[in-house]
Amino acid sequence: EDKVVQSPLSLVVHEGDTVTLNCSYEVTNFRSLLWYKQEKKAPTFLFMLTSSGIEKKSGRLSSILDKKELFSILNITATQTGDSAIYLCAVQGAQKLVFGQGTRLTINP
Amino acid sequence: DGGITQSPKYLFRKEGQNVTLSCEQNLNHDAMYWYRQDPGQGLRLIYYSQIVNDFQKGDIAEGYSVSREKKESFPLTVTSAQKNPTAFYLCASSPQSGRGEKLFFGSGTQLSVL
Repeated sequence: EDKVVQSPLSLVVHEGDTVTLNCSYEVTNFRSLLWYKQEKKAPTFLFMLTSSGIEKKSGRLSSILDKKELFSILNITATQTGDSAIYLCAVQGAQKLVFGQGTRLTINP
Repeated sequence: DGGITQSPKYLFRKEGQNVTLSCEQNLNHDAMYWYRQDPGQGLRLIYYSQIVNDFQKGDIAEGYSVSREKKESFPLTVTSAQKNPTAFYLCASSPQSGRGEKLFFGSGTQLSVL
């Protein structure tokens, strides 16, 4: 059965800290791995990764995929209170997109 | 503006009652999805549809039903057979299914049982 596991499930840090969120997966016929940010209701798209070792970057956020070890990390540097959210990892297999449990990130001022 | 519209934002269900959640998209996407989100859990797939007049069960389809009569619309009915329906329901769409493309999400419906 396809599975996506995120860690940690919850993380509380101070503004300005750097955080690393983890996502490991076991999926048949891997197509892509996606990261979403969910602040209130609708998840918003952050990154889509398909190739190993190629870092995707957007401002203070970056992500990389390791297809050999079957994991991805999402880094956020110089965190701000606006980064507080649930971060969702999802992996596209042969038929469907499988989501992890999410990491709840809280940034304290 | 293109997007996905879910309604209502909040919905209350009485015992034994069927309720229907609406999802409409104007993105011209072929694929549409329904997810359920419980506190502390990720999104779990209820049903998905790759084309009009066709849909498949996801991981937790029991107690739910869907239809896809139009490309733009993918309503979800929570039946009385679903014994624990309280959750946040998200509808999503993508240009095609299974291609690894990103999903576009609606704003969700919070369903509660009275």
